[in-house]
Formats: sequence, structure tokens, C-alpha cells
Amino acid sequence: GAGVSQTPSNKVTEKGKYVELRCDPISGHTALYWYRQSLGQGPEFLIYFQGTGAADDSGLPNDRFFAVRPEGSVSTLKIQRTERGDSAVYLCASSLLAGGQSEQFFGPGTRLTVL
Amino acid sequence: DAKTTQPTSMDCAEGRAANLPCNHSTISGNEYVYWYRQIHSQGPQYIIHGLKNNETNEMASLIITEDRKSSTLILPHATLRDTAVYYCIVRSLGGSGTYKYIFGTGTRLKVLA
Repeated sequence: GAGVSQTPSNKVTEKGKYVELRCDPISGHTALYWYRQSLGQGPEFLIYFQGTGAADDSGLPNDRFFAVRPEGSVSTLKIQRTERGDSAVYLCASSLLAGGQSEQFFGPGTRLTVL
Repeated sequence: DAKTTQPTSMDCAEGRAANLPCNHSTISGNEYVYWYRQIHSQGPQYIIHGLKNNETNEMASLIITEDRKSSTLILPHATLRDTAVYYCIVRSLGGSGTYKYIFGTGTRLKVLA
């Protein structure tokens, strides 16, 4: 079956621009997570959705970052006024349930480069 | 949140067992240990998880010590395709029940021909 997909696979933008990154979770998965991975580091949690609502956005670095999941399926991570330090791979994951032992399934990521 | 510590890198001969250790000395009673791996330029891939009993699936075995302060992931017959970064994760239960993963820097396993 189809896994988690993310678009675009690569995004190059200029400092100060606005970008949107899209995540299509596995069909039927209620929980969706965003992580960010810098070179040589493990993924870092950003935000988690249970259905349409953001249950935990404690990992968002500042108010330039925002994410939505309006219909409880597809999610978009939005970054305003991008900075060079935002360059990283942005990973999306989904799980069938939020709790219990449900493992998270990761997408291939979007590599964001801010020039 | 419980933290995990892993060796930075390990080598293993092809066909031999790869034993990857992880320390999680501050783990609490209701936290699970998860293992993922990440092959270059791909998203992390789930391997196995456990609470306190040893677990085995088609990919690997997970051995958790009785005090739960450490665990070992065992790949019984490593192949070149097992070359990857392996992450040991203690699943965090936030105040709102987020179940987020907290990754460390992982162990870079290189399987040698």
C-alpha cells in the first residue's frame, strides 16, 4: 500500500521567502507528526496533530513556523520569512493511533535549502 | 523525557550478528523503547519496540535488561543493506499525550563485505 508521501522532495528558496511543505499520511492514520533533521543529527520533533487539531506544537522553533491539517488528513507546514538556519530535511510521519504502541511511519522528507 | 545514549559508530562483518547497545537509565515505567534505522537520504524505518520483555520479529531481536536501563538491538545476520544509522528512542508521553519521539544522534552501523 501507499506510504507517507511528501512534496516537494527538494525546495530551494531565498532568505526571506515563504514556503509550504506538504505531507500526505497513510490513509486512515489519525496522528500526524512533523520533524526536522539537520545534517548529522537525529530528527527533532516539531508538532503533532491528532485529527485536525495540533495536540502539541512545543517543538516549533518560533512563530515563523506554522502547520495545519484542516480535514484531518493532508498537512501543510508553513515557514514565513525563511532564514538560512531553516535549511534542513523536514520529515513527516503518521501513525494509526495516537497512543498505545502504534509506531510512526515516516515519509522520505523534503530537503529545504535557504540561500 | 528519558534520554538515550548510543555509540557513535560500529562496524560489523557481513553475515555476522550486529549487536547495537543503548543506554536509557532514566526511563520511566510506562515508556517503551523503540528502534528505527535510517538509510542515507530516506526517512527513518521502524524496526522493533518493547516495554520490558525481549521481542523478536523478522528484522531483529530486542533485548531489554531487567532494570530496563539499557537495551540491545540484534541483527542476527547482517547484510550490506543493513548499513544505516540506528536510533534508539524512548517514547515520550507529553502532558497532552503526544507520544512524540525524541531522537538522539544514533549509531552509524557499517556492514563490511
